[in-house]
Amino acid sequence: TQLLEQSPQFLSIQEGENLTVYCNSSSVFSSLQWYRQEPGEGPVLLVTVVTGGEVKKLKRLTFQFGDARKDSSLHITAAQPGDTGLYLCAGEGWGAQKLVFGQGTRLTINP
Amino acid sequence: DTEVTQTPKHLVMGMTNKKSLKCEQHMGHRAMYWYKQKAKKPPELMFVYSYEKLSINESVPSRFSPECPNSSLLNLHLHALQPEDSALYLCASSQDQGPSWAFFGQGTRLTVV
Repeated sequence: TQLLEQSPQFLSIQEGENLTVYCNSSSVFSSLQWYRQEPGEGPVLLVTVVTGGEVKKLKRLTFQFGDARKDSSLHITAAQPGDTGLYLCAGEGWGAQKLVFGQGTRLTINP
Repeated sequence: DTEVTQTPKHLVMGMTNKKSLKCEQHMGHRAMYWYKQKAKKPPELMFVYSYEKLSINESVPSRFSPECPNSSLLNLHLHALQPEDSALYLCASSQDQGPSWAFFGQGTRLTVV
């Protein structure tokens, strides 16, 4: 069974600070997705990474896929209150038709 | 257009009712998914349709019945549900048969009374 461990589960910081969320597994994934979800809404796809060592940037968000394709990180620079939400990582196993989700990181950015 | 549209957004149903959830996408995606999400938990996969054929059923009780009438539409028929089935039901779609770059709908908040 493939598992994704996401940390931290909860994070509350002040506006303007930097933060990193981690997603780790002992399994290799062919791709990894990061989503952000607001309460009562569906997850919104932020990025997909597919190549080991890949780095993608989305404004103040930087996503990295580990060289061995077993882990990923999301770094937010100068966090803003609008970044508040639930961040989910989800990995696609080789030949699988389904995503394995991490437990999520509930991020709160205080003004 | 990266939109997956789900209707209704909210649904309250009794345990003896029959209702259906609908999902539509026009991205040409050939894989569609139903997920169930309980409060403060990640989404849990229920069903996968690939090229309009059911390819994965995650041991979901028969009171949930999926249907894929065509490549753009996905339904979830509900009958004789239990209060513990109350959750956010999410539809997603992706290209071909892999779930990478999967886009989710806004979900249907289902309450069973």
